[in-house]
Amino acid sequence: AQRVTQPEKLLSVFKGAPVELKCNYSYSGSPELFWYVQYSRQRLQLLLRHISRESIKGFTADLNKGETSFHLKKPFAQEEDSAMYYCARTLYNFNKFYFGSGTKLNVKP
Amino acid sequence: GAGVSQSPRYKVAKRGQDVALRCDPISGHVSLFWYQQALGQGPEFLTYFQNEAQLDKSGLPSDRFFAERPEGSVSTLKIQRTQQEDSAVYLCASSPLQGVMTGANVLTFGAGSRLTVL
Repeated sequence: AQRVTQPEKLLSVFKGAPVELKCNYSYSGSPELFWYVQYSRQRLQLLLRHISRESIKGFTADLNKGETSFHLKKPFAQEEDSAMYYCARTLYNFNKFYFGSGTKLNVKP
Repeated sequence: GAGVSQSPRYKVAKRGQDVALRCDPISGHVSLFWYQQALGQGPEFLTYFQNEAQLDKSGLPSDRFFAERPEGSVSTLKIQRTQQEDSAVYLCASSPLQGVMTGANVLTFGAGSRLTVL
């Protein structure tokens, strides 16, 4: 099965602290990895994708094929970062996403 | 429309009832997806349409689940003889291109339909 694992259900940090949300995936060919975010009372939306190698809202994620990981990082967390974060991948046919179970990030003041 | 619209937002059904959930994608979007999200879990793929063609229905959990998109725009997910394990949020998403090809395509999700089966 194509799995995406997010080992932490909840991550609490203080404002200004670094944050890392972990994501591991089962190896299968060339992965395409994404992070999706869902803020309170909002819809699920794309945060970033590995192929773009972009930084969105201060978040970055590096694909590590050796460790099959795609951890999401931000050096200084802000209260508005509090949300549910889902790691996702597609397969070669690009017809579906496989999502992890999500990590709730709580940034305390 | 401005976004992906789903209705109803909330549906309570008695076990054994049939339900129909509607998705109105962004106008012109070729691809449409249905996902099921149980409490505390990530979205699970149900089915995928490219225009009116249902190209992948491998995620539908049983033959009680049926989806259609007859004119290549609005889609309906129908669940027959609902069971308690069907309780979940059903998410619809659309994208302008075929599949979810990276670099050129982004899924836009609806707000979801929360189904509670008593």
